[in-house]
Amino acid sequence: DVVMTQSPLSLPVTLGQPASISCRSSQSLLYSDGNTYLHWFQQRPGQSPRRLIYNVSQRDSGVPDRFSGTGSGTDFTLQISRVEAEDVGIYYCMQGTYWPKIFGQGTKLEI
Amino acid sequence: EVQLVESGGGLVQPGGSLRLSCKASGITFSYSWMSWIRLTPGKGLEWVANMHPDGSVTDYVDSVKGRFTASRDNAKNSLYLQMNNLRAEDTALYYCARDAFWGAIDYWGQGTLVTVSS
Repeated sequence: DVVMTQSPLSLPVTLGQPASISCRSSQSLLYSDGNTYLHWFQQRPGQSPRRLIYNVSQRDSGVPDRFSGTGSGTDFTLQISRVEAEDVGIYYCMQGTYWPKIFGQGTKLEI
Repeated sequence: EVQLVESGGGLVQPGGSLRLSCKASGITFSYSWMSWIRLTPGKGLEWVANMHPDGSVTDYVDSVKGRFTASRDNAKNSLYLQMNNLRAEDTALYYCARDAFWGAIDYWGQGTLVTVSS
């Protein structure tokens, strides 16, 4: 199985400051169709997860533009340009290229 | 408005069985890949099963193969998960979810809690 490794697992941040989460996969997530199926999800306290970014860098509708995703192959990053209070929660990367689809361990972002 | 509403969770003894249900509305269920995903404090999110729109293909994570069976009734817009021979490590919040494409889940239910304990 593909192993997804996130870092850090805990991310204390200051309001208005940037934040960055790394996600690495044990093998390339580039599929033969040219797409890389690496997605990012946010889970706020007491809520179900919510997709933020799909296919590495495509931001979902309604997601603030302070969220951005970059990367390729095996190395990916979720960046928040200026953290706001509503961003508190756990962030997961997830690879959908191979079965089983695997989530990273999650990064807990706290103010 | 899209809604995925799970039910059927509860407390069960090791070795016991439970059947989870998920009722969907607001989506074209019969054209949707549907999934069961669970959340545990220790392991985080784990994809349990992924089912083709017509039910012809279902993939399972190794840890549940031979014990869990997913099914669906497109006429009722419903997804099911039959869980047999439950173990303590199956204790989790189970989500019903729609896989828009290649793992890009776009809709999640609120989850139903399964606790396996004597």
